[in-house]
Amino acid sequence: GAVVSQHPSRVICKSGTSVKIECRSLDFQATTMFWYRQFPKKSLMLMATSNEGSKATYEQGVEKDKFLINHASLTLSTLTVTSAHPEDSSFYICSAPLTSGWADTQYFGPGTRLTVL
Amino acid sequence: GIQVEQSPPDLILQEGANSTLRCNFSDSVNNLQWFHQNPWGQLINLFYIPSGTKQNGRLSATTVATERYSLLYISSSQTTDSGVYFCAVASNFGNEKLTFGTGTRLTIIP
Repeated sequence: GAVVSQHPSRVICKSGTSVKIECRSLDFQATTMFWYRQFPKKSLMLMATSNEGSKATYEQGVEKDKFLINHASLTLSTLTVTSAHPEDSSFYICSAPLTSGWADTQYFGPGTRLTVL
Repeated sequence: GIQVEQSPPDLILQEGANSTLRCNFSDSVNNLQWFHQNPWGQLINLFYIPSGTKQNGRLSATTVATERYSLLYISSSQTTDSGVYFCAVASNFGNEKLTFGTGTRLTIIP
C-alpha cells in the first residue's frame, strides 16, 4: 500500500515557540493532503486541506494564522503551529489520498504528538 | 455536515471470540473506509468499501449504502486486534474530505 511519513513523531516545546511538522507521501504524488487533530480518547477532527500550489482551506473554527500550512511540492506538506500554547498539545495526523481506478483511498501518516509546556 | 455514529463505543472480548462493529451515517456517501488505530496512534487501512462486501483474512466488511450503514466483522479475535476502530466517510463525489466516526474501542483479553 501507499506510505505516508511524518516528522517528527514526538515534540516537546516551551509555550510561545513555533513547531513545524512535515508530512510526506513516499511513493506517490498528492496534490491534496489533509491535516487532522486528535485529542486523547477522541475521534479525528479535520483541521484543513492542504493544496499543492495554492492556499490551504481551513475547517470552521480553525485559526489559519495559528496553524500555517504549506504544500511545497507534490510529496510534501508542512503544518506549523505558531506561538504554541498548552492547549495546542495534541496528536496531529496527516493523510494523502491515492486514487486507483474508482477507489479513492486515504493513507495516513503515523502522527506527531505535540506537548507544549 | 454528515454525522457518523459507531457502536458499541467499547467492547471487551475473550481471545477467539467474534465481533461485529457498526457504523451509521446520516447521508449518502461515495467513500467509506474502515481503519484500525493501534496503541501507537497509527491508522491502518482495513477496507475501502462505499458499498458491497469485502473480506481480508479474519476481517470482513459490508456496506449497505441505501440504508446508510456499514458493518465490520472480526472473527477469531487475537490480542493484536485490540485498539480503536474507526469508520470514515466522504459524502460528495470528488470531495476527499473524510468525516470520522466516534470509534469503537476493542479490547481482546488473552
